Amino acid sequence: EVQLVESGGGLVKPGGSLRLSCVASGFTFSSSSINWVRQAPGEGLEWVSSISSKNYKYYADSVKGRFTISRDNAKNSLYLQMNSLRVEDTAVYYCARASEWYYMDVWGKGTTVTVSS
Amino acid sequence: QSVLTQPPSVSGAPGQRVTISCTGSSSNIGAGFDVHWYQQLPGTAPKVFIYGNSNRPSGVPDRFSGSKSGTSASLAITGLQAEDEADYYCQSYDRSLSGSVFGGGTKLTVL
Repeated sequence: EVQLVESGGGLVKPGGSLRLSCVASGFTFSSSSINWVRQAPGEGLEWVSSISSKNYKYYADSVKGRFTISRDNAKNSLYLQMNSLRVEDTAVYYCARASEWYYMDVWGKGTTVTVSS
Repeated sequence: QSVLTQPPSVSGAPGQRVTISCTGSSSNIGAGFDVHWYQQLPGTAPKVFIYGNSNRPSGVPDRFSGSKSGTSASLAITGLQAEDEADYYCQSYDRSLSGSVFGGGTKLTVL
């Protein structure tokens, strides 16, 4: 079964750090581009970051300089290192595979990040 | 403020037809980048319903269709059913931002 499973969410104080993980199964992870997409409570979807199969990395302006995306193909894993967290980073964070048509065809169930003092 | 603009809500009676618009600019939809549509049910992850402007993944009813023209795209749903009640999001790529962009989402209510 093609699957993505996120973990690592939790409660953190403003200014703190958190590392999210996303483990893939059922497909060739190393050949895939993967995205992080977040959704704040009651709000819409926001693209956060993506990493290509060739390790090119892209970030939304809202997280540039604070978040770092990385991958470990040997572990079929994607990561998002989040530093200098702000209250407005509070959201459910999804990892999502990019298809050959560049839409997101496989999504995880999400992991919740809460930034609060 | 989302880069792609969608109406916050639309509604229709069972059996009716509704459309959801998605308006972008010359750096995304107008630049020729494809538009994709997702359905999100409460408490679940989004699921693609239309990809590449007008293509339906297997399993998506043919009541759903998509189109694109200029800097805008539309999702049409005919023969509305109660199970269609959900949030719908459009998504494209923006060359100025070098990343994906989403619409703000549209809540579809089946009356």
